[in-house]
Amino acid sequence: TQLLEQSPQFLSIQEGENLTVYCNSSSVFSSLQWYRQEPGEGPVLLVTVVTGGEVKKLKRLTFQFGDARKDSSLHITAAQPGDTGLYLCAGSENSGGSNYKLTFGKGTLLTVNP
Amino acid sequence: KAGVTQTPRYLIKTRGQQVTLSCSPISGHRSVSWYQQTPGQGLQFLFEYFSETQRNKGNFPGRFSGRQFSNSRSEMNVSTLELGDSALYLCASSLTSRGGNWYGYTFGSGTRLTVV
Repeated sequence: TQLLEQSPQFLSIQEGENLTVYCNSSSVFSSLQWYRQEPGEGPVLLVTVVTGGEVKKLKRLTFQFGDARKDSSLHITAAQPGDTGLYLCAGSENSGGSNYKLTFGKGTLLTVNP
Repeated sequence: KAGVTQTPRYLIKTRGQQVTLSCSPISGHRSVSWYQQTPGQGLQFLFEYFSETQRNKGNFPGRFSGRQFSNSRSEMNVSTLELGDSALYLCASSLTSRGGNWYGYTFGSGTRLTVV
């Protein structure tokens, strides 16, 4: 069974600060996704990274996939209260095809205080 | 376009009862997956259906079952409910391109099941 460990588990920061969330595994994933979940709602897909070493930017969010495709990071610049939520990383065991089973990390609960 | 719709949003059941949860995927999405989310275990994969066939199954007991209809709508059933089945049950639909590329999940808002 492939496991994904996220750190930190909880993070509380002030508006305007920068932060990095990590997602690590001993297994290789064909792709990795990041989701954000707000209370009472389902997770919302932020990004998918597929190639080792890949970097993707989404406004103030920067996502990186490790060269060996075993780890990933999410960096937020100048965090805002609207960034508050549970950030989940999820690894896919297959690249497309017929297997859509994802392994999720337990998440990082981010609180950005005004 | 309409998102993934799950009904009901909230449910309270008694131990030993059974429950059926419903999921309507995004139009055109043929793959529907179910996950259980709890504070202690996070999101855990239950099963995935594609064209009315179960393609993948997680490590849950046989009390958890599901099915998919010809219109891609899916239901999951839990029989003989236990207190530990209290969780947020999430349904997710996904789309595959002709080339096999996968565009990720679109999740519904979930059904919050409480077993008392």
